[in-house]
Amino acid sequence: SQQGEEDPQALSIQEGENATMNCSYKTSINNLQWYRQNSGRGLVHLILIRSNEREKHSGRLRVTLDTSKKSSSLLITASRAADTASYFCATPGAGGTSYGKLTFGQGTILTVHP
Amino acid sequence: GAVVSQHPSWVICKSGTSVKIECRSLDFQATTMFWYRQFPKQSLMLMATSNEGSKATYEQGVEKDKFLINHASLTLSTLTVTSAHPEDSSFYICSASGLPTNEKLFFGSGTQLSVL
Repeated sequence: SQQGEEDPQALSIQEGENATMNCSYKTSINNLQWYRQNSGRGLVHLILIRSNEREKHSGRLRVTLDTSKKSSSLLITASRAADTASYFCATPGAGGTSYGKLTFGQGTILTVHP
Repeated sequence: GAVVSQHPSWVICKSGTSVKIECRSLDFQATTMFWYRQFPKQSLMLMATSNEGSKATYEQGVEKDKFLINHASLTLSTLTVTSAHPEDSSFYICSASGLPTNEKLFFGSGTQLSVL
């Protein structure tokens, strides 16, 4: 079963606006990751946040993690048309193993209009 | 960063034929690779974990005899869709764990399979 549930399923914004995507998960984790997928392509790792971290930044990306609520958010600031893609959260398999077996959320389709 | 190469990018085949998809780690050794399947506008579904030198571990509901996985070396895993049917048409993506912690995944570019 899918570990992560994301909302919104689709998000449409104008260039320059901020985009926020949310992810909820069910079991205990030791890290949560966000990936990006351009249409018809593989996924690209964006950022990893560990369970003992509450916030992490990478360029225009800001990720938060609330382990008490089992939720995470991805904020993209000052969005660009090139940010148009699907975004997925991912969590390690049962038991918090970190050997790469991840379960992906349903994803958010982000469209940024020029 | 680690590079994973996946070939072919797309393939069209007739029903009943077999199709082989290759996944290579170009600049690192991947003892474990993962094969996912993705339908349009949906998430990735893990099909199997490919372990170098041993049998693959399949997820529940995935037919082992239908989707043959071979991980003969530390840089190559292959997925063979045997006796393909139209319902096997999908986007298949491989990934490999990256060093040093093996926590994050590096993905191939995916293979779009269309079975006529």
